[in-house]
Amino acid sequence: QKEVEQDPGPLSVPEGAIVSLNCTYSNSAFQYFMWYRQYSRKGPELLMYTYSSGNKEDGRFTAQVDKSSKYISLFIRDSQPSDSATYLCAMRSAGSNYKLTFGKGTLLTVNP
Amino acid sequence: DARVTQTPRDKVTEMGQEVTMRCQPILGHNTVFWYRQTMMQGLELLAYFRNRAPLDDSGMPKDRFSAEMPDATLATLKIQPSEPRDSAVYFCASGVGSGELFFGEGSRLTVL
Repeated sequence: QKEVEQDPGPLSVPEGAIVSLNCTYSNSAFQYFMWYRQYSRKGPELLMYTYSSGNKEDGRFTAQVDKSSKYISLFIRDSQPSDSATYLCAMRSAGSNYKLTFGKGTLLTVNP
Repeated sequence: DARVTQTPRDKVTEMGQEVTMRCQPILGHNTVFWYRQTMMQGLELLAYFRNRAPLDDSGMPKDRFSAEMPDATLATLKIQPSEPRDSAVYFCASGVGSGELFFGEGSRLTVL
């Protein structure tokens, strides 16, 4: 079992839909949780960064962390065609020297 | 606009040839990571450096891969000899402290 599991999709939704992306993990030492967005032929870019459990909202994006279930989510409201990309979850523990473990990514397409 | 610069963007080579990929981290960033991305495995950490010192290269096949930081403005990843299974996109990322990791656009390697 990999440390971080992420459904690769692909996920296709109409413009304006609410999108839910998820990851599960097995390492209970993970405390820092991130979501990266990667456009085709580009490097990943940080979208959301959360510490421990709870919610964090930034515009149309909401990140949720449930450490008891080892489950993190990213919600996108009012999805736009420009949101079409691969979304990768990433996480690390406090003593990991900032080394991130990534999910494989979920390919999202938002259709106009 | 500070960014991580990687060269080459694309490289096609034949099995057995030496391949060198270069990365210029963002000025002032003291942590540099090399990742490899494939469809099957996703993003895998190969090696990383802090203040130019190698901290962990356990993800790297030691017999053919080597990573160095000859100075603070240059990180290199070398494969010798290259094999078809090395075909992937190689990303360099840099950061400072526990903050955001900034990725380059990647070097797409095809080994025939």
